[in-house]
Order: sequence, then structure tokens, then C-alpha cells
Amino acid sequence: GQNIDQPTEMTATEGAIVQINCTYQTSGFNGLFWYQQHAGEAPTFLSYNVLDGLEEKGRFSSFLSRSKGYSYLLLKELQMKDSASYLCASIDSNYQLIWGAGTKLIIKP
Amino acid sequence: IAGITQAPTSQILAAGRRMTLRCTQDMRHNAMYWYRQDLGLGLRLIHYSNTAGTTGKGEVPDGYSVSRANTDDFPLTLASAVPSQTSVYFCASSDNPDKPGYTFGSGTRLTVV
Repeated sequence: GQNIDQPTEMTATEGAIVQINCTYQTSGFNGLFWYQQHAGEAPTFLSYNVLDGLEEKGRFSSFLSRSKGYSYLLLKELQMKDSASYLCASIDSNYQLIWGAGTKLIIKP
Repeated sequence: IAGITQAPTSQILAAGRRMTLRCTQDMRHNAMYWYRQDLGLGLRLIHYSNTAGTTGKGEVPDGYSVSRANTDDFPLTLASAVPSQTSVYFCASSDNPDKPGYTFGSGTRLTVV
């Protein structure tokens, strides 16, 4: 079957670094997205990985290992505004997205 | 402002009533999608359209219908609403269904009582 797993909730401190993990089982894997969703708002695009390795974009980086079915989102220099849910989604052989339930990240001062 | 407009923002609906959620995009994207988002669950695809004139069923299509008469509009209809359809509904679009980088609308919060 197709499955996406990510932690339900994480807590981190302002200014610190946090890594949000995502594991997937996807038929005909075609890439992986990370989205940010603030409470009551729509998801917004953060990153897209299709090849193995790390993609860095400012304070946010995303890593993919296709052989391990594993990705992570790394957030550096955490700010209070980073408090949100982070959604992992893989793309299957039909180019449909399979979504994880999201990781709620709580930032404490 | 380029993007996706959804209406209404929120709605309380009596069970058994018919309801159409509207979605319009001005980016000329080919593909459009309807998702529902429920607490503790990932976004679940209801219906999609890869191009104007075509539609397809997603993971949870029962009780919903869509049409795609033109590129810009993708309405979602609940023929006879039931309480289990209480959810937040998001419309999304992408310019290429083979490489989906989605833009989402702001969502419709629907409560069926």
C-alpha cells in the first residue's frame, strides 16, 4: 500500500534547529513535497525533492533518500512564526499526491 | 491578484441540503483538485481535473461531484449533505499534472448539522 508517516507533534525553542522526519511507501515514487500550514490557513509550498540529497533554501532545507524511503525538513534559527503544521507529501506513479497527516511544530520562547 | 478564490469561506448546512463550493483560478493552470482536510488525517483527494473538460475520482469521491466546463472554474457539489462531510475543503491547482506543485485556495469550512 501507500503510506506516509510523520510525527504528530514536535516542540522546539526559538533560535534552535529542528528536524521533522517523514517516511513513505509510495508506488512508482516521483518526488516528495514539504508544505507549511499555519492554523486556519491554506498549505503553502516549501520544497520539492526528486533526487537524493539536500536542498537548501534559506533557513529551511529538505533532504531525500529514495533508497530508504525517507525525507526530512530541517528548520534553522527557529522563529515564533515557524509555529505551524508541516505536511509531507509523496508523488506516486500516477502523479497523485499522497499526504501525511502533518507535524504540528510548537515553538517556545 | 493571481491565485485561487474559494467561496464561501464558511457555511453551516442542514443535512440533506444541496451545496456547491466554488473555486476559481486566474493562473491558467491546467490541473485542479479538491481536497478535504480533517483533524488527524492527511489531505484526502476528492476529485481532480487534469484539463478542462475532464474529471477524475480521487480517494474519497462518494457524495461529491465536480465539473470542469472551462480552465478557470472547478465547482464541487454535495448533492445531499451528511454530517460526515463536515470538514475543511481546499481547492488547489497546478500548471502541469505530471509535476504537481500546488497552489491552494484559502479553504471552505463546512459544517453539516
